[in-house]
Amino acid sequence: DAGVIQSPRHEVTEMGQEVTLRCKPISGHNSLFWYRQTMMRGLELLIYFNNNVPIDDSGMPEDRFSAKMPNASFSTLKIQPSEPRDSAVYFCASSLDRRGYGYTFGSGTRLTVV
Amino acid sequence: KQEVTQIPAALSVPEGENLVLNCSFTDSAIYNLQWFRQDPGKGLTSLLLIQSSQREQTSGRLNASLDKSSGRSTLYIAASQPGDSATYLCAVRPTGNQFYFGTGTSLTVIP
Repeated sequence: DAGVIQSPRHEVTEMGQEVTLRCKPISGHNSLFWYRQTMMRGLELLIYFNNNVPIDDSGMPEDRFSAKMPNASFSTLKIQPSEPRDSAVYFCASSLDRRGYGYTFGSGTRLTVV
Repeated sequence: KQEVTQIPAALSVPEGENLVLNCSFTDSAIYNLQWFRQDPGKGLTSLLLIQSSQREQTSGRLNASLDKSSGRSTLYIAASQPGDSATYLCAVRPTGNQFYFGTGTSLTVIP
């Protein structure tokens, strides 16, 4: 298995533009997590899905952020409109179950909003 | 809200030394605790997962302990190697589904 695949690896965009980050979890994993990592705040959970259903989105910072998981093999995190303070590394992770076994992170998307 | 603290923030040791990384958390009602490794520009790799009913887990040269009542965990690395250089993060999971991460300890092992 290729692991959790995220795209793009790097994204530079102008303030106000829409940004879409993509994630393909490991086949067979039924939980998917989106995290944001910054120097100031460390790793923060934004939202997680179980069996494609959003379970907890309390970490999503604002209405500008939205996430979808239309099927078991694909998820998106969208920021519209983007702002400079959204600049961070965004990680997707998947696991075998909600307890965290087999927890695997993708390589992340480094987002820079100028 | 659960708060996770890792001390020290950075550590530099000569190759071959044994070392201990510390993690403390404020709420002892946790479901499990994981230690992760993060290499520069990469994602996180799970090293060890300890369930709340367990006291320790071992994998090769790594040993993680958990003392729930005192809100502490340690990661022991034996006979350190330059390849162990990375940032080590601990994450605790309360009885809900949110993982709370510490800010990590940056380890450098000097050849």
